[in-house]
Amino acid sequence: EVQLVQSGAEVKKPGESLKISCKGSGYKFATYWIAWVRQMPGKGLEWMGIIYPGGSDPRYSPSFQGQVTISADKSINTAFLQWSSLKVSDTAIYYCARREGGLDVWGQGTTVTVSS
Amino acid sequence: DIVMTQSPLSLPVTPGEPASISCRSSQSLLHSDGYNYLDWYVQKPGQSPQLLIYLGSNRASGVPDRFRGSGSGTDFTLKISRVEAEDVGVYYCMQGLQTLLFTFGQGTKLEIK
Repeated sequence: EVQLVQSGAEVKKPGESLKISCKGSGYKFATYWIAWVRQMPGKGLEWMGIIYPGGSDPRYSPSFQGQVTISADKSINTAFLQWSSLKVSDTAIYYCARREGGLDVWGQGTTVTVSS
Repeated sequence: DIVMTQSPLSLPVTPGEPASISCRSSQSLLHSDGYNYLDWYVQKPGQSPQLLIYLGSNRASGVPDRFRGSGSGTDFTLKISRVEAEDVGVYYCMQGLQTLLFTFGQGTKLEIK
């Protein structure tokens, strides 16, 4: 079964760093793009960026460029999304998704709560 | 950036009746390869989004044939021939034309009357 399994919920304080993960299984992870999508509380879906685990630089939405870092380690079939200094406004659910035609497989989402 | 605009934003539907959602893009999504780079997703309550339609009109695996995507260029439509209770959720269109810089519509909330 093709699936993406994301790391668990996080509760952080403003200014802290964070790295969440998305592990693929059931397919050749390195050969499919992985996207990250944000959903703020009660809001719609926002495209953050995308990476090809087989070897390319990540691409970011202008809204997220410089705010987050997307990376991947194909040796462990895992993509990552990280922040160096969280803000309260980063509170959201973050989804990873595989791109094949459309975004055909989604992770279960990681809830990130940032509060002082 | 390509801007995606959906209508309506709220759609109450009686079970068994048809439903239609419109999605318009600020630029044509028709690629030189002949495909329209427009997808449809649904996010059911408490769940991750799931793919319904890709490249404008292709149903994703396992999607019932009561869902149909159509349109070309800047105007697209998702039609549900007969709404069922399980179709409740928020429907999003997403453009995939702009290389690796995709954008979603605002979402259309379908509810049962």
